[in-house]
Amino acid sequence: KAGVTQTPRYLIKTRGQQVTLSCSPISGHRSVSWYQQTPGQGLQFLFEYFSETQRNKGNFPGRFSGRQFSNSRSEMNVSTLELGDSALYLCASSLRSNWRGGNTGELFFGEGSRLTVL
Amino acid sequence: GESVGLHLPTLSVQEGDNSIINCAYSNSASDYFIWYKQESGKGPQFIIDIRSNMDKRQGQRVTVLLNKTVKHLSLQIAATQPGDSAVYFCAENRFGDTDKLIFGTGTRLQVFP
Repeated sequence: KAGVTQTPRYLIKTRGQQVTLSCSPISGHRSVSWYQQTPGQGLQFLFEYFSETQRNKGNFPGRFSGRQFSNSRSEMNVSTLELGDSALYLCASSLRSNWRGGNTGELFFGEGSRLTVL
Repeated sequence: GESVGLHLPTLSVQEGDNSIINCAYSNSASDYFIWYKQESGKGPQFIIDIRSNMDKRQGQRVTVLLNKTVKHLSLQIAATQPGDSAVYFCAENRFGDTDKLIFGTGTRLQVFP
């Protein structure tokens, strides 16, 4: 069974540009969440999607957005890139089957997309 | 604010010794805790979890201890092996927060032969 796949693995952008990152969850997983990992701030929750709807959102500016498609694949977009957006962006999927409530299901992480902003 | 932290950024142990990685959390509303292992170039990998109605949970060579009184979590690795070298994160989750995790800052475990 294939794991969580993220593309691209590495990319370099300049300030002011925008970037789109893609995530394909494990087959059958409907919940996808995104995390930003930096040396200074560690792992921080960005947002979570379930059945094409954002279910939860972290404390990031509106430049960070995401979406989920009917096949559960997800994308996240960062507009007007800043130097501080340089990070490893991790996608995770889980087998959660319900929309509301409860704790997390076991999260399976991809290897991440490493973004460098120059 | 919300925070989950670790006491030691780097832990060096000799192969075969036991390792203990500590974590402090700040929110008493958290009721589910998970330890993750992250190897270089990879995403975090689930190791073991524990719910707040438990004090201890054991897995294969790993044990997680939860002390709700002092909001402390620890991961014990028995007979540490070179393959255990990685960064370890604790994470907290709250009922209703679904898949949103609050991660600690991480501890790097180095295993020497």
